[in-house]
Amino acid sequence: SQKIEQNSEALNIQEGKTATLTCNYTNYSPAYLQWYRQDPGRGPVFLLLIRENEKEKRKERLKVTFDTTLKQSLFHITASQPADSATYLCALDYNTDKLIFGTGTRLQVFP
Amino acid sequence: DGGITQSPKYLFRKEGQNVTLSCEQNLNHDAMYWYRQDPGQGLRLIYYSQIVNDFQKGDIAEGYSVSREKKESFPLTVTSAQKNPTAFYLCASSTRNYGYTFGSGTRLTVV
Repeated sequence: SQKIEQNSEALNIQEGKTATLTCNYTNYSPAYLQWYRQDPGRGPVFLLLIRENEKEKRKERLKVTFDTTLKQSLFHITASQPADSATYLCALDYNTDKLIFGTGTRLQVFP
Repeated sequence: DGGITQSPKYLFRKEGQNVTLSCEQNLNHDAMYWYRQDPGQGLRLIYYSQIVNDFQKGDIAEGYSVSREKKESFPLTVTSAQKNPTAFYLCASSTRNYGYTFGSGTRLTVV
């Protein structure tokens, strides 16, 4: 079965730096890969979707890359702010009826 | 404002009792989902529905039941057969090939 690996250790960075989070998967590549933000006690919020044939996607300070050779997606937040502190989840879409979610990586941005 | 409404926010269940979690959406989405989230385990799919009057089991359906009588509503019942129901429950909806919209969640505790 498909497995998703996100770094379970929290990522701590200083304000203004670029945060980079990693999502690795096994076996075959998904048709789509999605990234979500989740704050404590809240539901996840959809951020970005990238298709299998896209290498990179940007939205404001966010950038997602998708490397089907490495079976990896990287999620970047440039000029990070304390308000970016949250848990970030990646999810795989194999054009089935459901997503497969990773366990998430907690990001802490310090002033 | 379009979105998903989950209620109640907090729910306490006694041993042997069935409880029902509400999920309503006004986004006109066809697909709806129920997830369970436990610390360190990410999101696990309980049930999902692509159309009215039809639903499928997810990865951890035992001890749960759902109905989909209306497009807008997808209630989840946690039955007494669910031996470890204490968790954070999330409802979501989606359109094809786009991100999920999640509700704010229901935290269920067995007392």
